[in-house]
Amino acid sequence: AQSVAQPEDQVNVAEGNPLTVKCTYSVSGNPYLFWYVQYPNRGLQFLLKYITGDNLVKGSYGFEAEFNKSQTSFHLKKPSALVSDSALYFCAVRDRGGYQKVTFGTGTKLQVIP
Amino acid sequence: DTAVSQTPKYLVTQMGNDKSIKCEQNLGHDTMYWYKQDSKKFLKIMFSYNNKELIINETVPNRFSPKSPDKAHLNLHINSLELGDSAVYFCASSQEIGQATDTQYFGPGTRLTVL
Repeated sequence: AQSVAQPEDQVNVAEGNPLTVKCTYSVSGNPYLFWYVQYPNRGLQFLLKYITGDNLVKGSYGFEAEFNKSQTSFHLKKPSALVSDSALYFCAVRDRGGYQKVTFGTGTKLQVIP
Repeated sequence: DTAVSQTPKYLVTQMGNDKSIKCEQNLGHDTMYWYKQDSKKFLKIMFSYNNKELIINETVPNRFSPKSPDKAHLNLHINSLELGDSAVYFCASSQEIGQATDTQYFGPGTRLTVL
């Protein structure tokens, strides 16, 4: 069974500071890993994904994530936070091959303080 | 053009009623999904269809019945609505499940309130 954990319900960061939203995963094989963002009263929007290759994945709006196989982590990062980054962030994992569902984490609310 | 659209956006109804939510995608994707997001924002997959064929059916009460008339549409019909069905329901689509292209595109959601 696959699972994903987001240990922080909320992350507060000052505008202009670097931000990190944590994610760890568990799958039986090699994972596909995703980050999505949800703004209030909106659907989820895709940010970035890890498929294979370079462990550092760059995505939309200046976000990036680092795949760490030994630590089974896929933390989301941004060098300088904007107030407009305030939203709910979901990490997701899917095992490769076949008709596997995507399992989402419980979400982390990011609050960027002006 | 809206890539994944859902109707209605809001749905308020009484317990015991039957209701439907419609979803359409104009992305040319093969796979569509229904998710339920509860009041704590937990997101859980309910169903997935690939080319009109049901491929994922999570532990969902059989009061919920998805229907895919074609690969661009996935509707969700709910019979005998219960208070616990109150949630936001999201439709999503992806190009082809199980592939590296399996990025999901979500609709705006339907907020269902059962009174």
